[in-house]
Amino acid sequence: GIQVEQSPPDLILQEGANSTLRCNFSDSVNNLQWFHQNPWGQLINLFYIPSGTKQNGRLSATTVATERYSLLYISSSQTTDSGVYFCAVESNQAGTALIFGKGTTLSVSS
Amino acid sequence: GAVVSQHPSRVICKSGTSVKIECRSLDFQATTMFWYRQFPKQSLMLMATSNEGSKATYEQGVEKDKFLINHASLTLSTLTVTSAHPEDSSFYICSASGYRVGDEQYFGPGTRLTVT
Repeated sequence: GIQVEQSPPDLILQEGANSTLRCNFSDSVNNLQWFHQNPWGQLINLFYIPSGTKQNGRLSATTVATERYSLLYISSSQTTDSGVYFCAVESNQAGTALIFGKGTTLSVSS
Repeated sequence: GAVVSQHPSRVICKSGTSVKIECRSLDFQATTMFWYRQFPKQSLMLMATSNEGSKATYEQGVEKDKFLINHASLTLSTLTVTSAHPEDSSFYICSASGYRVGDEQYFGPGTRLTVT
């Protein structure tokens, strides 16, 4: 099946710093979504981005489908950005389910 | 975006009993719903795909007789954990999508199951 790899696995930042999270996938995808999982477990949908670039406040994402990767940019990080960030993809192989990467755990300190 | 609810949010049950978890799409019709399980400090693992009006499709290694899925309407899917054991303790999350391949998927808030 499709492989989804996220890097780095862990990231520690000072408040105000910028960061880039990467998601590589091994096959063509119909859908790609970025999530932030809060401390209570709720998945917050950040971006639905099978291709192209989107921005939402301090966050932006770019997916280059032909090269099989996506990037999530966090600018001017805040302590509330801490948590786990997941990339998930829907491929032709896996039917219509989203397959998740292992996540990047972000810790932002003040 | 669309809203998916789950009930209950948290449940504690005794070993050997059964627990039912509901997943509802509140403002859209979901032909397909998915059930995931997440153990502490791990990623979400797909358990099964639930299609309205037909049998669920289970991922390899997931016991279909233990995790019963019913998708009786376009807005409701249920997961029943039968004869629960402590190793079934986990965070269960459902998601729902619309009609088209590649549609955005919406996730419920999750149900934390603890089996004592």
